[in-house]
Amino acid sequence: KAGVTQTPRYLIKTRGQQVTLSCSPISGHRSVSWYQQTPGQGLQFLFEYFSETQRNKGNFPGRFSGRQFSNSRSEMNVSTLELGDSALYLCASSLGRTGEMEKLFFGSGTQLSVL
Amino acid sequence: QKEVEQNSGPLSVPEGAIASLNCTYSDRVSQSFFWYRQYSGKSPELIMSIYSNGDKEDGRFTAQLNKASQYVSLLIRDSQPSDSATYLCAVNYNAGNNRKLIWGLGTSLAVNP
Repeated sequence: KAGVTQTPRYLIKTRGQQVTLSCSPISGHRSVSWYQQTPGQGLQFLFEYFSETQRNKGNFPGRFSGRQFSNSRSEMNVSTLELGDSALYLCASSLGRTGEMEKLFFGSGTQLSVL
Repeated sequence: QKEVEQNSGPLSVPEGAIASLNCTYSDRVSQSFFWYRQYSGKSPELIMSIYSNGDKEDGRFTAQLNKASQYVSLLIRDSQPSDSATYLCAVNYNAGNNRKLIWGLGTSLAVNP
């Protein structure tokens, strides 16, 4: 069974640009969550999508947005990049059912560097 | 601000010993608790979940939960060098219709041969 696939693996952008990250969940998983990981803040929850709808949301500004497609694949967009957005962005999938939604399977992540 | 606190370590134990990792959380109504393991340069992977007070055992791993003390721990028996990793504690937080996991910063464990 294929795992969670994230692309690209690495990205280098400059301030003010925008970026789109992609995530394909494990087959049969309907929930996709996005996280930002930095050494100082650890894992921070961005948002979760389930059946093409944003179901839960963290405390990030509106520059961070996402969407989910009918095949459960998800994209995350960050507009007007800031230096502080440099981080590892992790996507995680789960079955999404009650009792299972926090049993997450993570992708390898996208390492974003903003210069 | 809901918080999950972990000792950052590093926690160093000899091979074969018991490693004890601790986590405290601030939200009294949290109901679900998770331990994830993250090897250096890799992504987190789930190793234990616990929902009720008491102990839950899975192989060499035992999770312990005490909701009154807002405390969850992970014991690793017969520690192996392959257990050397960062262990992340995650606690669910519900606010109305919004539900998310709050994560600790992790405890780094080093198992010495």
